[in-house]
Amino acid sequence: NAGVTQTPKFRVLKTGQSMTLLCAQDMNHEYMYWYRQDPGMGLRLIHYSVGEGTTAKGEVPDGYNVSRLKKQNFLLGLESAAPSQTSVYFCASSPRTSGQQETQYFGPGTRLLVL
Amino acid sequence: AQSVAQPEDQVNVAEGNPLTVKCTYSVSGNPYLFWYVQYPNRGLQFLLKYITGDNLVKGSYGFEAEFNKSQTSFHLKKPSALVSDSALYFCAVRDPTRWGYSSASKIIFGSGTRLSIRP
Repeated sequence: NAGVTQTPKFRVLKTGQSMTLLCAQDMNHEYMYWYRQDPGMGLRLIHYSVGEGTTAKGEVPDGYNVSRLKKQNFLLGLESAAPSQTSVYFCASSPRTSGQQETQYFGPGTRLLVL
Repeated sequence: AQSVAQPEDQVNVAEGNPLTVKCTYSVSGNPYLFWYVQYPNRGLQFLLKYITGDNLVKGSYGFEAEFNKSQTSFHLKKPSALVSDSALYFCAVRDPTRWGYSSASKIIFGSGTRLSIRP
């Protein structure tokens, strides 16, 4: 049971390049989330998904797109990277069961540097 | 709007002494409250949560937190600190009356408090 995994662990992009971050979970969770973590700002929700084929905007969605084609995977895309998107990105998942949905399980993070 | 504040960027404690990491919140209804811990180069790990019931919540690694509705606080505590407790701690809040009880958890995280335990 690997929990939540993220690929890649680290990436350097040039301004304007595109990339996709992959999140996978093997806990059969319904809900999945993408956050970004910046110094002194805690975690901010980018997008989230309540089930396969559904996505919704979070607190800071601009410049990002997501897809949830399979229940276990949640992809975060940057179509045209900007230096402001330099951050550490965390994926998380949680079960739908009432009460248990409140506990989120996090991946190890992806460190992204945009030059 | 829901918000959470961690007034201390850093807390320094000697090993064996009690520790407290402060958290205050603001929500319109009854809050769901959480503490997470982040070790270097790792993702966040769940420590404990308050949903309802007893105001004193016990969690992993000997940590506990007390929900105080009148002071809108949810401070994290441990009676005797260990060097291995050194990490970044995040308080988080969700307002279920705003986002719904069956919706995805729109949790708001605090800015984090770095806990440093000296031997």
